Amino acid sequence: SQQGEEDPQALSIQEGENATMNCSYKTSINNLQWYRQNSGRGLVHLILIRSNEREKHSGRLRVTLDTSKKSSSLLITASRAADTASYFCATEGISSGSARQLTFGSGTQLTVLP
Amino acid sequence: EAEVAQSPRYKITEKSQAVAFWCDPISGHATLYWYRQILGQGPELLVQFQDESVVDDSQLPKDRFSAERLKGVDSTLKIQPAELGDSAMYLCASSLGVGQETQYFGPGTRLLVL
Repeated sequence: SQQGEEDPQALSIQEGENATMNCSYKTSINNLQWYRQNSGRGLVHLILIRSNEREKHSGRLRVTLDTSKKSSSLLITASRAADTASYFCATEGISSGSARQLTFGSGTQLTVLP
Repeated sequence: EAEVAQSPRYKITEKSQAVAFWCDPISGHATLYWYRQILGQGPELLVQFQDESVVDDSQLPKDRFSAERLKGVDSTLKIQPAELGDSAMYLCASSLGVGQETQYFGPGTRLLVL
């Protein structure tokens, strides 16, 4: 079952614009991660934010986490055509203990038009 | 840079046939995961190994799916017999293990059952 739900399901923007994707989840978490998937390929880890953190940056990526609302957002600034991909949030639930299991959302398909 | 290897990349089979997928994780990674990803959805965990032991196979349809990691290195996922609903991308991921939250994914095997 999918723990997270991304919003929007699809997003189309012009190159140079910022892209914001949101993720909501249901249960308490240890951390939340964002992954990217190019069409027909495996997933690539982008950034991890722990439950005691509120914001994190990595290059053009900015992630926020609001545990009271059980939600996160991923902001990609100054988007490029190469950013076109599906973006998934994944949560590591507290209940997974030492097993380190991730539950993925359904993803946001981002298209950056040149 | 070390990568997770998977083969084959693509597999077409007829229903009721047997299929097998192979995964070689990053060297030294103790934890190995098999996921199934249906088109348009996020990956769902099928089975998790810690070294050669199964940590969680609660989502593995055991009447037709089996997975092994005999020497705690590479792993095989088998489906017998394949059904039309098994058409999906099968992803393998690995992580260092205890204390390592990030998972590294292979390119996946896309299965089409006719």
